[in-house]
Amino acid sequence: KAGVTQTPRYLIKTRGQQVTLSCSPISGHRSVSWYQQTPGQGLQFLFEYFSETQRNKGNFPGRFSGRQFSNSRSEMNVSTLELGDSALYLCASSLLGNNQPQHFGDGTRLSIL
Amino acid sequence: GQQVMQIPQYQHVQEGEDFTTYCNSSTTLSNIQWYKQRPGGHPVFLIQLVKSGEVKKQKRLTFQFGEAKKNSSLHITATQTTDVGTYFCAGPTGTSYDKVIFGPGTSLSVIP
Repeated sequence: KAGVTQTPRYLIKTRGQQVTLSCSPISGHRSVSWYQQTPGQGLQFLFEYFSETQRNKGNFPGRFSGRQFSNSRSEMNVSTLELGDSALYLCASSLLGNNQPQHFGDGTRLSIL
Repeated sequence: GQQVMQIPQYQHVQEGEDFTTYCNSSTTLSNIQWYKQRPGGHPVFLIQLVKSGEVKKQKRLTFQFGEAKKNSSLHITATQTTDVGTYFCAGPTGTSYDKVIFGPGTSLSVIP
């Protein structure tokens, strides 16, 4: 079974731009969660999608948004990028939700100049 | 809000020594998950504990879930260089499909 696939792996943007990250979950997994990982803040939960609906949300500003498609693939968008948005963005999928084991992708390393 | 803490933040051990990391939640957890992240890698699921007082073993790794379901520990016997990485505990905030809060992690270095 293929694992969680995230694209792109690396991204360099400048302040004020916007970015879209993509995540393809493991086949059959309906829950997709997004996390931001930085050295100082650890793994911070962004949001979770299940059956194309946002089911849970973390404490991030509205600049961070996401969506899920009918095939469970998910995208995350960050608008008006700030220097502090530089981080590793990880996507994780699970069968039904975060109460079950999560399988992480390799992440997208976003650098803001 | 719910907080999940881990101690220690860093641990350096000589190869062959034992290692333990502790995880504490400010609220009762329905279950606890443990993940390992190698340097440059992504978190990988290790185990999930559900029952109060549960103990599970995976080769040299022993996981415990406290009686009150608010704390957990991971013990590694006779560490090896392959054990290097950051170990995270994670627990759901409330009901079954609520978001999961990750602890800050314990970074393990093993000196050969």
